[in-house]
Amino acid sequence: AQKITQTQPGMFVQEKEAVTLDCTYDTSDPSYGLFWYKQPSSGEMIFLIYQGSYDQQNATEGRYSLNFQKARKSANLVISASQLGDSAMYFCAMRGANTGFQKLVFGTGTRLLVSP
Amino acid sequence: SQTIHQWPATLVQPVGSPLSLECTVEGTSNPNLYWYRQAAGRGLQLLFYSVGIGQISSEVPQNLSASRPQDRQFILSSKKLLLSDSGFYLCAWSVGQARSGNTIYFGEGSWLTVV
Repeated sequence: AQKITQTQPGMFVQEKEAVTLDCTYDTSDPSYGLFWYKQPSSGEMIFLIYQGSYDQQNATEGRYSLNFQKARKSANLVISASQLGDSAMYFCAMRGANTGFQKLVFGTGTRLLVSP
Repeated sequence: SQTIHQWPATLVQPVGSPLSLECTVEGTSNPNLYWYRQAAGRGLQLLFYSVGIGQISSEVPQNLSASRPQDRQFILSSKKLLLSDSGFYLCAWSVGQARSGNTIYFGEGSWLTVV
């Protein structure tokens, strides 16, 4: 079975600083994808970044980068130059071959608060 | 560009009443469609997914059902709501054959409170 673990219930960061949100995963799938989503207080889930299990390089999308360490089964999200609008819940998720790639399994999330 | 609309945004329903949440995707054809539920303070749980009209797969046995009467329409229903059905329901979509890199995009969500 697939499992995502986010051990940080809450994180605080000052504006313009970088922050790392932790995510570890467990799977027996040889092929899988890792995702990060942002959920502001409005509730919508916003896709941020994707990393494939066979990708050699860490994914980057603007201020977001994914620190992928396959041997450690970790996929931490790094947000550079934090902005007040980054305050939200952040969810790590994965999908894999064993579930036909249809099921996106989520962690419990990390609440990020960016202060001025 | 593709958009997804979900309604109603919020609703308060008494126990034992029926439920119908609707979701429509625009700007794409033959999407994969999903219903997720998020309980308070928790991550999302997949309830149903559909790869085509009339094709519904259920992930968790429960008091809910889903239907896909049209290519880009996905409906979540219940005949009699339970208190435990309260939560935040999100419709989502993706395109193409399911694989690890297919991104799933979510709608705005519907807050359901059963009283």
